[in-house]
Amino acid sequence: AQTVTQSQPEMSVQEAETVTLSCTYDTSESDYYLFWYKQPPSRQMILVIRQEAYKQQNATENRFSVNFQKAAKSFSLKISDSQLGDAAMYFCAYRSAIRGGSNYKLTFGKGTLLTVNP
Amino acid sequence: GAGVSQSPSNKVTEKGKDVELRCDPISGHTALYWYRQSLGQGLEFLIYFQGNSAPDKSGLPSDRFSAERTGGSVSTLTIQRTQQEDSAVYLCASSFQGVIAEAFFGQGTRLTVV
Repeated sequence: AQTVTQSQPEMSVQEAETVTLSCTYDTSESDYYLFWYKQPPSRQMILVIRQEAYKQQNATENRFSVNFQKAAKSFSLKISDSQLGDAAMYFCAYRSAIRGGSNYKLTFGKGTLLTVNP
Repeated sequence: GAGVSQSPSNKVTEKGKDVELRCDPISGHTALYWYRQSLGQGLEFLIYFQGNSAPDKSGLPSDRFSAERTGGSVSTLTIQRTQQEDSAVYLCASSFQGVIAEAFFGQGTRLTVV
């Protein structure tokens, strides 16, 4: 079974600064997808960024980028120019690329609570 | 609808009572997931529906939990004889079929068992 570990329960950053959230995972599969989700106080999970394991290039979405190290099974999220609206719980998630059955489910880490200080 | 809709938003129930939580997925989405988020924990997979296939119930924690999806659309998660440890936020998500399809989440139902 796959596991996802987020070792930072809480992080804080000054507005306009850069912060990196860590995530490691364990899997025996070679092809999979990794995600970062944001959960604001409204509770609704919002997809921030997605990485396909077969792609060597790190995904980027505006101020959000990842550092995907497949051999190390590491998938960190970098938020540049942090904004007050970035304050939320951030979850790292894994999904198998094997088709069928419960492989479609997302396996989540326990989350990192990000505080942005003005 | 525009997004995944869950109801009720909050539910307080007495220990031992049964509760039903509802999820309206995005129109056209064939896949539907239920997750449980306990305080300080990540999201725990409960059950997965895909089209007309038999659901994957491997994440249901006990036989007090059940779920159905009628007509391939609306889903209901039922918890019988609720216990205090059932208190959590229950999140529903839907997506198109496929491993790369993005899952869209509802705002969840916060269940409190007193």
